[in-house]
Amino acid sequence: DSGVTQTPKHLITATGQRVTLRCSPRSGDLSVYWYQQSLDQGLQFLIQYYNGEERAKGNILERFSAQQFPDLHSELNLSSLELGDSALYFCASSVDTSTDTQYFGPGTRLTVL
Amino acid sequence: AQSVTQLGSHVSVSEGALVLLRCNYSSSVPPYLFWYVQYPNQGLQLLLKYTTGATLVKGINGFEAEFKKSETSFHLTKPSAHMSDAAEYFCAVSDNFGNEKLTFGTGTRLTIIP
Repeated sequence: DSGVTQTPKHLITATGQRVTLRCSPRSGDLSVYWYQQSLDQGLQFLIQYYNGEERAKGNILERFSAQQFPDLHSELNLSSLELGDSALYFCASSVDTSTDTQYFGPGTRLTVL
Repeated sequence: AQSVTQLGSHVSVSEGALVLLRCNYSSSVPPYLFWYVQYPNQGLQLLLKYTTGATLVKGINGFEAEFKKSETSFHLTKPSAHMSDAAEYFCAVSDNFGNEKLTFGTGTRLTIIP
């Protein structure tokens, strides 16, 4: 158990819908990262927040957005869903800098039908 | 831009044999290198990491990796494979020059033959 929690574990929805994925980092961790794992794209970095502020952006679609709240939990919002958005979405957290280990949550498996 | 290449999407070794998973990186700045393992239906778990200092890094479960700057490699080894090592292994790179995100390789699925 990494100490990072993600909800829900599974999510099945239809094209065009909007979903919210939630992540609670390990106690004391200030950085939250979101990654997408799909068969065709592999593991890709989406976005990073540090202490409530966006710190880095990766291959995140405009239909996707995220935020980190004052209690440091984070949400990833996916809208206008397409079949190709079906993937495992991981959240990771670390204390601060890149030398710190990123601890990964168990992931949310999103299926878009 | 940073990138990672993992040679061999599938590797099979016999139980008790040497495990060698290959990783080469590309980075314009000194890299930080990581190996993560993913068991079926689970998240990623850090095996080991190299940031600075000793180039031979020991990790959990008997794995180790050596950072070779001249070869831009960070291969993962284990002297004797166990059945429980069957999983997918990911090499990743980041740095501390404003680029903290992990860039992952495509992964290597390790199968252990009894």
